[in-house]
Amino acid sequence: QKEVEQNSGPLSVPEGAIASLNCTYSDRGSQSFFWYRQYSGKSPELIMFIYSNGDKEDGRFTAQLNKASQYVSLLIRDSQPSDSATYLCAVITYKLSFGAGTTVTVRA
Amino acid sequence: GAVVSQHPSRVICKSGTSVKIECRSLDFQATTMFWYRQFPKQSLMLMATSNEGSKATYEQGVEKDKFLINHASLTLSTLTVTSAHPEDSSFYICSAYKTGLSYGYTFGSGTRLTVV
Repeated sequence: QKEVEQNSGPLSVPEGAIASLNCTYSDRGSQSFFWYRQYSGKSPELIMFIYSNGDKEDGRFTAQLNKASQYVSLLIRDSQPSDSATYLCAVITYKLSFGAGTTVTVRA
Repeated sequence: GAVVSQHPSRVICKSGTSVKIECRSLDFQATTMFWYRQFPKQSLMLMATSNEGSKATYEQGVEKDKFLINHASLTLSTLTVTSAHPEDSSFYICSAYKTGLSYGYTFGSGTRLTVV
């Protein structure tokens, strides 16, 4: 079982719509969860981090964590073409482990 | 802030030669740095954890004699790919952990290695 799994995508959404990204993790003891955005050929950049169950909002981004279900998600509201990228879910176990990423394309 | 500088951003080398990649923490001291490798359309895979003043800890399946890591100071870690082969061509990314930051990890800009 992979440590971090994401829906593979690609995910295509029209401009202005909500993009919903999902991630599950295997280590029930994980405490810290991150969403990174990675443009092609670039290094990942942090979008959100979340430690507690529930929702955390930052601008157009909302992260949701459910530790009982070992599930973390990212919502992107009012999607813009500049949001087109690969989104990586990452979880800290004894290391920072990444999911395979979900590629999002926002259609103008 | 927490800035990590990685050089070079791109390098092309001949098969059989060695390449050194540098990772520097610019505004903080990093006792621990991490080296990742990313193949096209795949996720980041941790190669090794670099510990200042001691030996690096390598992940399973990573050849420590091929990927030499040196963390001689609190602001610099280097990864040397020795006797590079075309299959070593990849995107290498370093990361450093800054204590006190709620999110901890900051990434370098990455190095695109092409072995010809």
